[in-house]
Amino acid sequence: AQTVTQSQPEMSVQEAETVTLSCTYDTSESNYYLFWYKQPPSRQMILVIRQEAYKQQNATENRFSVNFQKAAKSFSLKISDSQLGDTAMYFCAFMYTGNQFYFGTGTSLTVIP
Amino acid sequence: EPEVTQTPSHQVTQMGQEVILRCVPISNHLYFYWYRQILGQKVEFLVSFYNNEISEKSEIFDDQFSVERPDGSNFTLKIRSTKLEDSAMYFCASGETGDQPQHFGDGTRLSIL
Repeated sequence: AQTVTQSQPEMSVQEAETVTLSCTYDTSESNYYLFWYKQPPSRQMILVIRQEAYKQQNATENRFSVNFQKAAKSFSLKISDSQLGDTAMYFCAFMYTGNQFYFGTGTSLTVIP
Repeated sequence: EPEVTQTPSHQVTQMGQEVILRCVPISNHLYFYWYRQILGQKVEFLVSFYNNEISEKSEIFDDQFSVERPDGSNFTLKIRSTKLEDSAMYFCASGETGDQPQHFGDGTRLSIL
């Protein structure tokens, strides 16, 4: 069975600072995908960033980057130059080909002006 | 950018009534999913649908639930006899292939009275 663990239920960061959200997962699959989704108060689910397990290079998307450690089964999200609009719930998710997403319990991030 | 569209945005239903939640996936997508998020909890997988049949379902997806793609564009989730515990946000998602990110709709908030 696949599990995704987010150990930080709540975090806060000053505007313009950097914050890192942690995520670990457990799987016996070798080919899989990892994602971070953002859920603002409107409760939409917005894809932030994606990482393929077969790629060693960490994914980057503007101010968002990941630290993917496959051996450690760790997939953290770094948000640089935090903005007020980054305030949201962040979910780490795992998927293997053709299958469902497995979500973590989420980290509530508050950006403080 | 193409979007997954869900209607209604909010549905209020009496306990025991049937409810149908509607989704229009992105037009060239072949994989369809329903997820549920009870308030304050993580997103949970309900069912995946491919090639006009259910490919996977979770323990939550019991005999009270059914899915259908009636006309090649809509993808519906039916709850036959709603219970109080069915109150949640229901997300539809679609993917072009089984290894592409799933694009989520904005969700339908279901409230059972």
